[in-house]
Formats: sequence, C-alpha cells, structure tokens
Amino acid sequence: ETGVTQSPTHLIKTRGQQVTLRCSSQSGHNTVSWYQQALGQGPQFIFQYYREEENGRGNFPPRFSGLQFPNYSSELNVNALELDDSALYLCASSLWLNEQYFGPGTRLTVT
Amino acid sequence: DQQVKQNSPSLSVQEGRISILNCDYTNSMFDYFLWYKKYPAEGPTFLISISSIKDKNEDGRFTVFLNKSAKHLSLHIVPSQPGDSAVYFCAASPPNSGGYQKVTFGIGTKLQVIP
Repeated sequence: ETGVTQSPTHLIKTRGQQVTLRCSSQSGHNTVSWYQQALGQGPQFIFQYYREEENGRGNFPPRFSGLQFPNYSSELNVNALELDDSALYLCASSLWLNEQYFGPGTRLTVT
Repeated sequence: DQQVKQNSPSLSVQEGRISILNCDYTNSMFDYFLWYKKYPAEGPTFLISISSIKDKNEDGRFTVFLNKSAKHLSLHIVPSQPGDSAVYFCAASPPNSGGYQKVTFGIGTKLQVIP
C-alpha cells in the first residue's frame, strides 16, 4: 500500500506566474485536503475535495483552485503568484471523514 | 487571528522524563482536538485526539488532557524517548467534520529529547 505522494518536491516560480502541484492519494481514499504551511507557521487549510467536488474551503482567495480526478488524485493550482505564496504545500488524503494521512509536501518558492 | 495557540516554540527534556506540551484555543465551536507529530522532510502524522465531551485520552506513552472551561489542552509523553524528538502540532476541527477534517493547526512546538 503506497502512501500519499506529492510532486514536485521543490519548485521556484516568478511572481505573477501560475503553478500546479500534484497529489496522489493513498490507496482506497476518496477525500483530499490541501494545506499551506508558511515558514514558522502551522499548516492552514486551503480546501477539501470529496468525490471530485469541493467540500469546504478555508480563507484563501479564488486564485487558489483545485481539481480531484476519478482516481482521487488531486491538483492544486495557484494563479498570479505572490511572494507570500512561498510555502510548503501539504496534501492529505482520507477515507471521507476518517484520519488524514499527509504527504511530504511541495516546497514552493516565489521570487 | 490564531485560533489555536502554542506559546512554547521549543522544549528540551531528558530521556525518561515527562514532556508536557501545551495548547490554547479561542474558538469554542471546536469539538475535536488532535495532536500531530512532524519529522523533517515528512508530512505531519496523527498522534492522538480527544473529543470535546472527554477530558482525558490515553494511548500508550501519550496522554492528552482537555480543560474546556480554560480552553486549554496538553499532551503528556511519559517516558520521553529520543525518537520523540520532532515538531508537535496541536490542532482542532469544527463540528460536523468527523473530527479529523478541515483542521486548524497551531504553529508547533519543537521537542528535543536529550539522551
């Protein structure tokens, strides 16, 4: 049984660009949540997807969007990148409301 | 506005002694509280949780205490082991989220257990 995987591990983007981060859920999981962890902070909930539909959103602007695919993998898209978007982005999968399992994260640097 | 607060950024404890990590929250709507452990280059791992209807939950060396009137919870690790050295996040979830979802995290406390 493979755990939650995320790609890429690191990437560097320029302010104003767009980025797509990817997450593969743990086998058997149908729910994916995304979190942003800025340096020195705890993870902040961005949004959750359940069976390809958004199921709750934190306090993030619309330029943060996502997708969940039929195989329950997921993407996080961020448009018009700002310097403050530099952070570790964590994906977590679960079987609906059960325990979340986190991936190792993608480190995004915006210059 | 930090709804979950961990006021101690770091803690050092001798191996074999008790580690006590503290957490305060401001949102009285939270009904489930969790502790996560995070090693470098890994995602957070769920450690232990407590429902708001309880005041104590124990799992092996780990015990979480909840004081609802004070909006305070603590994690006790007894005895502490060097492998417990990690960042510990206190977290809380809102009602109707199943307890594990849409979690609000604190900023973490880095625990170092000295052999």
